[in-house]
Amino acid sequence: EVRLVESGGGLVKPGGSLRLSCAASGFTFRDYIMNWVRQAPGKGLEWVSSISSGSTYIHYADSVKGRFTISRDDANNSLYLQMNSLRAEDTAVYYCVRDRSFEFDFWGQGTLITVSS
Amino acid sequence: DIQMTQSRSSLSASVGDRVTITCRASQTISMYLNWYQQKPGKAPKLLIYSASNLLSGVPSRFSGSGSGTDFTLTISSLLPEDFATYYCQQSYTVPYTFGQGTKLEIK
Repeated sequence: EVRLVESGGGLVKPGGSLRLSCAASGFTFRDYIMNWVRQAPGKGLEWVSSISSGSTYIHYADSVKGRFTISRDDANNSLYLQMNSLRAEDTAVYYCVRDRSFEFDFWGQGTLITVSS
Repeated sequence: DIQMTQSRSSLSASVGDRVTITCRASQTISMYLNWYQQKPGKAPKLLIYSASNLLSGVPSRFSGSGSGTDFTLTISSLLPEDFATYYCQQSYTVPYTFGQGTKLEIK
């Protein structure tokens, strides 16, 4: 069974940093592109970042470029999102998402980040 | 960036109705269009990929069509569990973008 479990969410002050983790199981993690997608409270879905197999290709949404860093540890089946210079508009549920090349076929349950003073 | 527009933000329907949700891309995306279902407090679930392919395990009352810029998701006969929010998403190029969502509500 495919499982994606996010952790690391919480309350952080504007300008602060947070690192999200996603533990993957039930599939060959190193073979898949992985993504982070977020959803602000009561709003729609926003793709944040993707990382290819082998970390060869990395992409970011303009809204987070230069502030967020995606990474992966294939030996430990883990995906990460380092978030710096956090803003109120980064408040959202962050989902770890498996990418089957052109579609997001499995989603974690999400972890809530709240940026507030 | 490619803008994805779902024509209706909300839609009221009854159990047993046939419902169509539309999605338009701001430029051609071939068939790189996916549909997701999200229920309150839950993560989205993939229903349809590549415009018209039903994900394994998804009921056959769901179907998708379209190519280029115009796409539709059809639910042939609504069941109570289908009342949810539906999002389209283009996977043609980064940044991957989603429609704003269509909330399907019980009439």
